[in-house]
Amino acid sequence: DVKVTQSSRYLVKRTGEKVFLECVQDMDHENMFWYRQDPGLGLRLIYFSYDVKMKEKGDIPEGYSVSREKKERFSLILESASTNQTSMYLCASSLVGGTQYFGPGTRLLVL
Amino acid sequence: GQSLEQPSEVTAVEGAIVQINCTYQTSGFYGLSWYQQHDGGAPTFLSYNGLDGLEETGRFSSFLSRSDSYGYLLLQELQMKDSASYFCAGAYSSASKIIFGSGTRLSIRP
Repeated sequence: DVKVTQSSRYLVKRTGEKVFLECVQDMDHENMFWYRQDPGLGLRLIYFSYDVKMKEKGDIPEGYSVSREKKERFSLILESASTNQTSMYLCASSLVGGTQYFGPGTRLLVL
Repeated sequence: GQSLEQPSEVTAVEGAIVQINCTYQTSGFYGLSWYQQHDGGAPTFLSYNGLDGLEETGRFSSFLSRSDSYGYLLLQELQMKDSASYFCAGAYSSASKIIFGSGTRLSIRP
């Protein structure tokens, strides 16, 4: 079974802090994705990566950056957390054109 | 840009059939997927249409019409456990970029 893990299920941070969200997949998938999910807005794509060290902006990249140094790991970075970044963050991985497999999500609260 | 539209809520009766529609923008479009998400859970894959027509997987079927920029998810013999949110997701840009609709919350009455 494909497994996608995220470093934390719940996280509380203060405004201005640098936040790292880690995602690891064990199926050698080329593609990895970061979404945020807010009520009524569905899943909005922040960044995706189609290969090591390759990344592309999604629909809402402002305030976020990503890092993919190894194929299995995709990190989301909030350089200076703000209260409007309070959300559920979901990581996913897939083969090119394949089914996405999601991690359990990280619920981030920024105070 | 790319965006997908679907109804925000649908209500149906146990045992009935329900159809959830999705319209999408065509620029760079490769295919349409459907995902189910229960409250507190992560989205899980249901179905994918890369070509026009109907794909059937048990009680769930999905349809795509590229000429109409439209697809739907059909759920038959509804069960209470089908109460969840359903998302259509479009694959764009060589199928590497996946954009989700805002989701349809399906409520099922006994």
